[in-house]
Amino acid sequence: QVQLVESGGGLVKPGGSLRLSCAASGFTFSDDYMSWIRQAPGKGLEWISYISSSSSYTNYADSVKGRFTISRDNAKNSLYLQMSSLRAEDTAVYYCAREPVHRRGNFDYWGQGTLVTVSS
Amino acid sequence: SYVLTQPFSVSVAPGKTARITCGGNNIGSKSVHWYQQKPGQAPVVVIYYDTDRPSGIPERFSGSNSGNTATLTISRVEAGDEADYYCQVWDSSSDHYVFGTGTKVTVL
Repeated sequence: QVQLVESGGGLVKPGGSLRLSCAASGFTFSDDYMSWIRQAPGKGLEWISYISSSSSYTNYADSVKGRFTISRDNAKNSLYLQMSSLRAEDTAVYYCAREPVHRRGNFDYWGQGTLVTVSS
Repeated sequence: SYVLTQPFSVSVAPGKTARITCGGNNIGSKSVHWYQQKPGQAPVVVIYYDTDRPSGIPERFSGSNSGNTATLTISRVEAGDEADYYCQVWDSSSDHYVFGTGTKVTVL
């Protein structure tokens, strides 16, 4: 069965950096686009970045562009999000989500999320 | 940037029908997807490509999309349908994915 497991969240000071990981299993990871989506406490969902199956294409929400970098290692079935210059407003649960190649445009599997707290 | 607007909350009695709207400029020209999120859980897609249901999602969930409004309809509402619901599209002009503001469905 498809599984996505995020890790790497935690408490970080404003201006600091953090790297999130998402371990994928149960499907051919190299076939599918992947995204990071976050949810601030008590707030709605915010898409922040996607990466194509072969890493040829990436894009970012304006709120994180220039500060966050998405990457993947298909040999390791892993997705990453390097976050830098973190701000209090980046505090959120971060989900990785699969966009299946056979059904583009939506997210059919999500991880359980990892909490990032930016605070001094 | 493309904006999707949903009502903050919808209340419905058990057995009745809940309709959740998602407004966006000419949203009828886009594919709309809907997610259900229960407290402490990750979202689950309940409708994709406007009207399609993933396996395992009850037939009580249906969708439509036309003009400037997409709608998620939940028929014969049950207590277990109480959750937050989000619409979502891919905006081709920005190559961004956009989520709606979210609607809290309360079963009375």
